[in-house]
Amino acid sequence: GAVVSQHPSRVICKSGTSVKIECRSLDFQATTMFWYRQFPKQSLMLMATSNEGSKATYEQGVEKDKFLINHASLTLSTLTVTSAHPEDSSFYICSASTGRGYYGYTFGSGTRLTVV
Amino acid sequence: DQQVKQNSPSLSVQEGRISILNCDYTNSMFDYFLWYKKYPAEGPTFLISISSIKDKNEDGRFTVFLNKSAKHLSLHIVPSQPGDSAVYFCAASASEGANNLFFGTGTRLTVIP
Repeated sequence: GAVVSQHPSRVICKSGTSVKIECRSLDFQATTMFWYRQFPKQSLMLMATSNEGSKATYEQGVEKDKFLINHASLTLSTLTVTSAHPEDSSFYICSASTGRGYYGYTFGSGTRLTVV
Repeated sequence: DQQVKQNSPSLSVQEGRISILNCDYTNSMFDYFLWYKKYPAEGPTFLISISSIKDKNEDGRFTVFLNKSAKHLSLHIVPSQPGDSAVYFCAASASEGANNLFFGTGTRLTVIP
């Protein structure tokens, strides 16, 4: 079945630094990848949709200059949290689409980011 | 504004009994609903879905019921098994294939052997 690998699973960084999170589709080509964020005891919130070879589409309220998304190939999308602040601490999770509707949405295992 | 709500953060059920997980939504434009299951340190996996043209969809031990007038859906698992212990998220969308899935906050199900 479709597998999405997300790395790292946990990261701790200092305020002001940048952190890159990778999302790879291992056995399929993902033309579209999605990035979600989940605060404690809250739901998964869509941050942005990335399409291979084009600019990401950000949801309202998400700062595109702070959360840089690159979808350089059909198997890799990256999310870079720039100038991280403690309020950016959260659980970030990616999802890749196989193009078969919702049945084809495969999620990564998530990244727990802690900014100190 | 939480458009999809799961008001029970946790549920414990004895093995072999029925588990009922509930989900409410506020947006009347939602017409496609999904349930995902999530184990610790893993991403959510698709479980079952239902379109608004139906009021019930069944897949093995899992059945989803939709009450559009009440803006309510539920997931029934029967019989419950210890391996069903996980966090269950419901999600909704305005149409199949739409990018934005609105997720609930999840319900942690524990099936007691």
